[in-house]
Amino acid sequence: AAGVIQSPRHLIKEKRETATLKCYPIPRHDTVYWYQQGPGQDPQFLISFYEKMQSDKGSIPDRFSAQQFSDYHSELNMSSLELGDSALYFCASSPRGEEEQFFGPGTRLTVL
Amino acid sequence: AQSVTQPDIHITVSEGASLELRCNYSYGATPYLFWYVQSPGQGLQLLLKYFSGDTLVQGIKGFEAEFKRSQSSFNLRKPSVHWSDAAEYFCAVARYGGATNKLIFGTGTLLAVQP
Repeated sequence: AAGVIQSPRHLIKEKRETATLKCYPIPRHDTVYWYQQGPGQDPQFLISFYEKMQSDKGSIPDRFSAQQFSDYHSELNMSSLELGDSALYFCASSPRGEEEQFFGPGTRLTVL
Repeated sequence: AQSVTQPDIHITVSEGASLELRCNYSYGATPYLFWYVQSPGQGLQLLLKYFSGDTLVQGIKGFEAEFKRSQSSFNLRKPSVHWSDAAEYFCAVARYGGATNKLIFGTGTLLAVQP
């Protein structure tokens, strides 16, 4: 069965650089969520999209932005990176009306 | 506000022993509850979920969980632990916002399995 695809899997950036993380949901899933998991922490909700519209927003810094495109894939753009942005970033998708979220493998971002 | 509490940060059990991981939630209505497992550096795998109905839910890998409204708990159990069960376990509750339901996670319980 198809799963959520995230790219890249690993990313190393310098402070103040920008990064773009991509998420490809499971086919026919129209809802995408982004979570951030710091070292030794639980995943924290960042933002979600439903039918290409932002639905909910969590503890997402103003330096971050995200969108969902017409093919339902989503991108998380991160600017002016800080050391504290080093984390595992998960994308999850779900089909319309379903509560279960299917998680991707994550993108590990390291900021040096 | 909704929250999830996992009182045990670390648990060590012997292989073959039974396991119970605790989870307490706070929520005003009937919650949607989940248990996820995460191996080091890996993604989150859903073990089981509770939406409504039978309060004892079965999941993958021999896990089960029981929803107890009176205790606001959703504890995860396994009758006989295998070494491959060593991982971090997260309890989560769904919270609606707009047209979507974000997950609020507990702080996790790290399970170690002794031979």
